[in-house]
Amino acid sequence: AQSVAQPEDQVNVAEGNPLTVKCTYSVSGNPYLFWYVQYPNRGLQFLLKYITGDNLVKGSYGFEAEFNKSQTSFHLKKPSALVSDSALYFCAVPRNYQLIWGAGTKLIIKP
Amino acid sequence: NAGVTQTPKFRVLKTGQSMTLLCAQDMNHEYMYWYRQDPGMGLRLIHYSVGEGTTAKGEVPDGYNVSRLKKQNFLLGLESAAPSQTSVYFCASSDLAFTDTQYFGPGTRLTVL
Repeated sequence: AQSVAQPEDQVNVAEGNPLTVKCTYSVSGNPYLFWYVQYPNRGLQFLLKYITGDNLVKGSYGFEAEFNKSQTSFHLKKPSALVSDSALYFCAVPRNYQLIWGAGTKLIIKP
Repeated sequence: NAGVTQTPKFRVLKTGQSMTLLCAQDMNHEYMYWYRQDPGMGLRLIHYSVGEGTTAKGEVPDGYNVSRLKKQNFLLGLESAAPSQTSVYFCASSDLAFTDTQYFGPGTRLTVL
C-alpha cells in the first residue's frame, strides 16, 4: 500500500545553515510525491511535487526536494535556512482516492 | 480571489450538540475535501467530493455528514458532537484528481466539551 513516513518529529537548524527534512515512501509503480508547509495557525500550502523526470524538484520559497528511487526517499532541502522557514512540513502520496499524509516534521530555525 | 474560506474559525460545542462547518472556494475546482488534523497524526480525510451533487467517504467518516449542493460549497455536519471530534478541521479543493495540488482553507478549531 502507498504510504509515506517522516522519521523526525522535529528538526532544529541554525539560521543560514542548510536544512533537510526527511521523507521516505512506499509506493507501487511510479510515485507522485508532495511537500506541503503549514505555518502556525494557518492552512497547508503547497511547496512542490514530483511526478516524473528530473529527480531534483524546485519549489516555492527556495525549497527543493530530491527524489531518490533506490533509497525510496524524497527529502526536502534548502541551502540556507531562514527563521521564517520555521513551520510544520508534511510529505504526502496519492493512494486510491486520497492523499496519504506523513505525520509532519516541525522545523525550528534558530537565529 | 479569496481561494478557500472556512466558517467559523473557532467553535466550542457541548457533547451532543450539532453544527455545520462551511467551506467555500472561488477557483471553480471540481474536487473538495474535508480533513481533520490531530497532533502527531498528520491529516486524515473525512469526506470528499468529486463534483457538485456527489460525496464519498474518506478514511474517518464516522460521526460526520457532508453535502455539496453547489459546486463552490462543501458543508461538513456533526449531528451529535463527541469529545473525540475535538480537532482542527481543514477544507481543501483541487482542480483535478488527488494527484493535483490541493488548496487549503485556514481551518476551524473545534472543541467539544
